[in-house]
Parts: sequence; structure tokens; C-alpha cells
Amino acid sequence: GAVVSQHPSWVICKSGTSVKIECRSLDFQATTMFWYRQFPKQSLMLMATSNEGSKATYEQGVEKDKFLINHASLTLSTLTVTSAHPEDSSFYICSASAGYDNRGGQPQHFGDGTRLSIL
Amino acid sequence: QKEVEQDPGPLSVPEGAIVSLNCTYSNSAFQYFMWYRQYSRKGPELLMYTYSSGNKEDGRFTAQVDKSSKYISLFIRDSQPSDSATYLCAMRRGKLIFGQGTELSVKP
Repeated sequence: GAVVSQHPSWVICKSGTSVKIECRSLDFQATTMFWYRQFPKQSLMLMATSNEGSKATYEQGVEKDKFLINHASLTLSTLTVTSAHPEDSSFYICSASAGYDNRGGQPQHFGDGTRLSIL
Repeated sequence: QKEVEQDPGPLSVPEGAIVSLNCTYSNSAFQYFMWYRQYSRKGPELLMYTYSSGNKEDGRFTAQVDKSSKYISLFIRDSQPSDSATYLCAMRRGKLIFGQGTELSVKP
């Protein structure tokens, strides 16, 4: 149980294009979804938290106009990297939880990540 | 000072060894403690999830939490080459805070 699917797993695109990454909870309803970024040999850095039907909450230093997050249903959240540039190249990972982030003890379950390479 | 400190390793052990992985933390507000395993180019996989001080066992894995010392551990018994991965500790105070991860290599 608690399977999170992330798509695509790898994308290469030209600088200036926009890229959409999907995150789906396959066997549970994800009240809250999270988007992380991970650089090589480093830990996960939280970018934003989204509750279904609400606007995402972004961490300090994350540009909300560049990283658009939509959480329109209890099983799907999307991250769109707008006008991507080489410095946006990274490993993006989503996670999902059946509870709200600031109450309860529901664990987060992670997708397998998306490797984004901007040329 | 980071909120969660974890030795990045790498840690190399022979097959069958007992592995001890540790994290320390500074914020007593942390309530939930987790260990994740991450294989190369994959997302983290939840291994253990604990709330209170004490031990929790699941197969070859034992998680230990000592809130008074702000110290958590993960023990892996009878380690296997398939255990080779990066192990991340994580803690919640609202959002999830990760340690840097320890890279473990189990040699046949």
C-alpha cells in the first residue's frame, strides 16, 4: 500500500520551455502533497506544501511564479517549472500524506523522482 | 548548526554485519521520527516510523529514539548487499526535516 507514482522519470528540454511533472497517489487519498528538490549527494529540500483544493505554501526562497503547483484532486498534484533554465536542472521528488501536515502523524510516501535536465 | 545532523559516510561493512546509523537533533519540538532508504536515482522509501522514545523492530531493522539525548538510531542486522543505499533520518515539527543521509555499502 501507499504507492506514489511520479511522471516523467526523466526529462531533457531546451532552456526557456516549461515542464510539467505529475505526482499521483495510487491507493490512498493524499490530503497533502509535498514537492522536494535534491542535488547530488545532498538531502531533500522542501520546496512547497499543497493541500487539496488550496493554494500551495512555498518555502522561503522558492519562486512561486516559477514553480507552479496545482493540487486539484485528492490523488493528483502537478509541478510546472516555467521558463526553465540550466540552473533549474535537478532531481525533483514529490511525496504524499493522507493527513494534514501540521496535525496528526501521517507519514509521507515518496514518488521515484523526476530527473530534469535543461540544456 | 543544522537542526538534524547525520554523518554522510560513506560506511562500508561486510555482508552479515550489524549496521548502526545515527542522527542527532537540536529541536525538542520534533515529535515524529522516520528512517528512509533511498537507492540511487530513486525516491526515498519509508522504513521505520516512530513517535515515542524506545525501540521499534521490523524484521532486520530496529529504530531507537532517545528524546532526552535528542538522538535516534537505526540498526540493521544481518546486512545484505541489497541494503546498500543512502539512509536518511527525518523528523517532523510540522514539516519534515531530513538529515544529510548516510551512504551505506554492504560488501559480499
